[in-house]
Amino acid sequence: GENVEQHPSTLSVQEGDSAVIKCTYSDSASNYFPWYKQELGKGPQLIIDIRSNVGEKKDQRIAVTLNKTAKHFSLHITETQPEDSAVYFCAAMLSGGYQKVTFGIGTKLQVIP
Amino acid sequence: DTGVSQDPRHKITKRGQNVTFRCDPISEHNRLYWYRQTLGQGPEFLTYFQNEAQLEKSRLLSDRFSAERPKGSFSTLEIQRTEQGDSAMYLCAVGESYGYTFGSGTRLTVV
Repeated sequence: GENVEQHPSTLSVQEGDSAVIKCTYSDSASNYFPWYKQELGKGPQLIIDIRSNVGEKKDQRIAVTLNKTAKHFSLHITETQPEDSAVYFCAAMLSGGYQKVTFGIGTKLQVIP
Repeated sequence: DTGVSQDPRHKITKRGQNVTFRCDPISEHNRLYWYRQTLGQGPEFLTYFQNEAQLEKSRLLSDRFSAERPKGSFSTLEIQRTEQGDSAMYLCAVGESYGYTFGSGTRLTVV
């Protein structure tokens, strides 16, 4: 089955700086890579995603990149704000079939005001 | 409001008791998933429903666990003879065109 590795497990940045979270996946058949943000006491919420036919996607301060050859994908948050503090999960999914999502271990991001 | 309602939000139970959680998607979704999340970990897949049919179960889902989706709408997850190791957040999600929408989860504490 799919295995997703994520690092770092914790990340502290000053407000206004950038944050980068990196993930790798094992199953070359995976073709959809969502990123979720989880705040305390809540379920994960989708913040951005990328499909395997795209190398990069940006949405305001958030961007994701995908290197299919290396099976790497990354989340970039620019101009971080205190409300970005949360746990971020990368994930991989093979679309079609059961569409089961495999998650990374999570990165706890702390933005220091 | 995430589009998926889970009840209860918190449950504390004594070891050996049975517990049941409910998941109510606000709108119709063919695909429904249950995940378990322990502290400091990502969500782990438990089981998947396509309408009322349970099509896949994880090895994590021991014989003490049972899930149902009788009418293809809401779903229940029951844990019998709870153990301390069952303490976790139980998340329900519905499948969108791509990816999931999660509920806020039920946090189970077994004492």
